Amino acid sequence: DTGVSQDPRHKITKRGQNVTFRCDPISEHNRLYWYRQTLGQGPEFLTYFQNEAQLEKSRLLSDRFSAERPKGSFSTLEIQRTEQGDSAMYLCASAPSTAGGEIEEKLFFGSGTQLSVL
Amino acid sequence: AQSVTQLDSQVPVFEEAPVELRCNYSSSVSVYLFWYVQYPNQGLQLLLKYLSGSTLVESINGFEAEFNKSQTSFHLRKPSVHISDTAEYFCAVSNTNAGKSTFGDGTTLTVKP
Repeated sequence: DTGVSQDPRHKITKRGQNVTFRCDPISEHNRLYWYRQTLGQGPEFLTYFQNEAQLEKSRLLSDRFSAERPKGSFSTLEIQRTEQGDSAMYLCASAPSTAGGEIEEKLFFGSGTQLSVL
Repeated sequence: AQSVTQLDSQVPVFEEAPVELRCNYSSSVSVYLFWYVQYPNQGLQLLLKYLSGSTLVESINGFEAEFNKSQTSFHLRKPSVHISDTAEYFCAVSNTNAGKSTFGDGTTLTVKP
């Protein structure tokens, strides 16, 4: 178990540029979540995947944001035309599959990608 | 809609003192409750959870939390803290699964010698 890894750890970009982050979940986990965390606040849910299917997107995820998980393994989160308000820590988490109706008992978080938009 | 309020943004305590980190939630349906801990330069880790059953839940490192439905609270307690407990603690609530939780803004616990 190598844990959830995120790349890069830090990203500095200029307003208007596109950025892409990568998340590698724990290998046997089929659920993958993206969260955003701004300074002084808790994580906010953005979207999640079960295998390659994106099952839900938060209203926080504007049309400039897109997430993919093409083979049900790693995931990417792209932000187009970045704005200063996008500056935040972007967290990825994964969880193993559950039988129907069971609540997931545990999320495994990565260390996040810190985005700074200048 | 759900929300979580962590009543204290910072809690400084001396080593071996007891501590309580307060968490209140609001939800119109049944909830599942979680406490996460984030040590410096590390990712969030689940500390303990309430899903059903006994309202008092414990972690392996001496923390406990009690689900109080009438007061809509899930306060975290430890009778004697260590320097190594210094971290940020997040309370979270969900009515579906842990992955779609609503988090509070966190409480920074600083344990001083």
